Amino acid sequence: ETGVTQSPTHLIKTRGQQVTLRCSSQSGHNTVSWYQQALGQGPQFIFQYYREEENGRGNFPPRFSGLQFPNYSSELNVNALELDDSALYLCASSFDNSYEQYFGPGTRLTVT
Amino acid sequence: EDQVTQSPEALRLQEGESSSLNCSYTVSGLRGLFWYRQDPGKGPEFLFTLYSAGEEKEKERLKATLTKKESFLHITAPKPEDSATYLCAVQDYNNNDMRFGAGTRLTVKP
Repeated sequence: ETGVTQSPTHLIKTRGQQVTLRCSSQSGHNTVSWYQQALGQGPQFIFQYYREEENGRGNFPPRFSGLQFPNYSSELNVNALELDDSALYLCASSFDNSYEQYFGPGTRLTVT
Repeated sequence: EDQVTQSPEALRLQEGESSSLNCSYTVSGLRGLFWYRQDPGKGPEFLFTLYSAGEEKEKERLKATLTKKESFLHITAPKPEDSATYLCAVQDYNNNDMRFGAGTRLTVKP
């Protein structure tokens, strides 16, 4: 059974650019959630996808968008990057929106 | 609005010195309370889910308990490898998000 994987591990972008982060869910999981974690803080919920449909969204602007594919892998897209977008981006997968979410190792995004 | 507050922010223990971490929460309808462990630069690792007041769960040196307003993570005879940040989160029946606290950074000295 493979765990949750994310790519890339690290990324450096310039303010105003766009970025795509990728997540591969744990085998058998059909729900994926994305989180933003600033240094020294707990993860903040961005949105969740269940069977390719958005299934809940946190307090993030529309320039944060996502996709879930038929194989349940997922993408997080962020447009018009701002300095405050610098953070660790985590995805977590679960089965049928069950309570137990399993996290990937994260992508560290730095915006300069 | 759902809120989660963890205390203390940081805790330093000697190896073998037992202690407890606190997670206070406010939620309209608790679907579940979760404890995670996070090592530096890594994603959170799932530890426990608690669903109702009075529930307890154990795993090795860790024991999690739940009341209607707070949860405790008890660490018995900790070892240096227990050093990590411990995160608490709640999920509300009314939405699908998981609200996290800022975490407690635990350091266990040999």
